[in-house]
Amino acid sequence: NAGVTQTPKFQVLKTGQSMTLQCAQDMNHEYMSWYRLDPGMGLRLIHYSVGAGITDQGEVPNGYNVSRSTTEDFPLRLLSAAPSQTSVYFCASSSGTGHAEAFFGQGTRLTVV
Amino acid sequence: AQKITQTQPGMFVQEKEAVTLDCTYDTSDPSYGLFWYKQPSSGEMIFLIYQGSYDQQNATEGRYSLNFQKARKSANLVISASQLGDSAMYFCAMREGRLGNNDMRFGAGTRLTVKP
Repeated sequence: NAGVTQTPKFQVLKTGQSMTLQCAQDMNHEYMSWYRLDPGMGLRLIHYSVGAGITDQGEVPNGYNVSRSTTEDFPLRLLSAAPSQTSVYFCASSSGTGHAEAFFGQGTRLTVV
Repeated sequence: AQKITQTQPGMFVQEKEAVTLDCTYDTSDPSYGLFWYKQPSSGEMIFLIYQGSYDQQNATEGRYSLNFQKARKSANLVISASQLGDSAMYFCAMREGRLGNNDMRFGAGTRLTVKP
């Protein structure tokens, strides 16, 4: 059972470049989300989706784009990378009920130079 | 708006002793869930324990227990008989239960170091 698969694990970008972080889950979860983890800030919600075709902004959405064309996939796009986007990114999924735990991908360590 | 506060950036504990990691939260929703996650140095996020706002008893999972004080809005994680492998970042999180809100919000985390 793969759970949540997130790629790549590491990435270095130059300022202004774009890229897509991939996230896929095989648990048929309706709810998927993207977080970034920064020292002293904890995990902050970037974007989330409550089902295919539905996305919404979290706490820190600027500079990021998402889409949800299928239940399984929820890619995160960095439109024009900035050094402030250097962070560790996590994709998560859950069954969507208020009390369901979130399952996380392995994380992506992104450095923007 | 939800808010999760972890006031201890770092904690030290001697191996085999118990340690309490603090977490307070703020919500106006009577229905919510509280979660603790562990992030070891390898980087993955590991779910540890869950407490529902209507649960009458404190949650326990092996050496982990959650000291839930609803009136104080606190959900402290207690780790008994600490092991060297418990050294990690620990995050408290909350999700409100009202329909349509599935955001899970996290605290800043506490780095626990277990000393041999």
